[in-house]
Amino acid sequence: DQQVKQNSPSLSVQEGRISILNCDYTNSMFDYFLWYKKYPAEGPTFLISISSIKDKNEDGRFTVFLNKSAKHLSLHIVPSQPGDSAVYFCAAFDSGSARQLTFGSGTQLTVLP
Amino acid sequence: EAGVTQFPSHSVIEKGQTVTLRCDPISGHDNLYWYRRVMGKEIKFLLHFVKESKQDESGMPNNRFLAERTGGTYSTLKVQPAELEDSGVYFCASSPLHRGWGEQYFGPGTRLTVT
Repeated sequence: DQQVKQNSPSLSVQEGRISILNCDYTNSMFDYFLWYKKYPAEGPTFLISISSIKDKNEDGRFTVFLNKSAKHLSLHIVPSQPGDSAVYFCAAFDSGSARQLTFGSGTQLTVLP
Repeated sequence: EAGVTQFPSHSVIEKGQTVTLRCDPISGHDNLYWYRRVMGKEIKFLLHFVKESKQDESGMPNNRFLAERTGGTYSTLKVQPAELEDSGVYFCASSPLHRGWGEQYFGPGTRLTVT
């Protein structure tokens, strides 16, 4: 039973426009959420995170929004660039018990020039 | 500073054979994790070391998988005997001991193909 779900396997966006990647979770014990970016033949690279006590975290072109009541988070990339084309994984972390990350299945983002 | 390294990058073996994957974490990182991604699905946790001790191996699929971390440095993951369903990309990750909010540093992965 997947505790973190990314329901869109792929997303195509025009360069310069906004990319919105979505993620849902079921475990209310998760208190940190992270986004990782993965290029082919490379490992996932940390992008941005958010604590469950916040509803927004921004870092340059990347903003993560958290809606705890809906158990939903999203990653916004503005403006999107061709170099952003990669697989984006949503991950969740329970700092109180298990130390592993629980990942979604990823969304392939393609930014078209 | 060197990142997490994994060897080999790709391994092709026949069903029933044995394969050993190696991970070298970032120097000084006491936490070491193994994950696996199968067939483009989610990245799944296998186990977690703190230094040389297994902290959590709840994600290990069965007793054909054996992980070790000698002296709290590098780690190996042995699959014996390999089955077709073991094919996938095996990632290793590491983090400092008291990184409380989850950020982990991943290696490039080992792609295992069992034929």
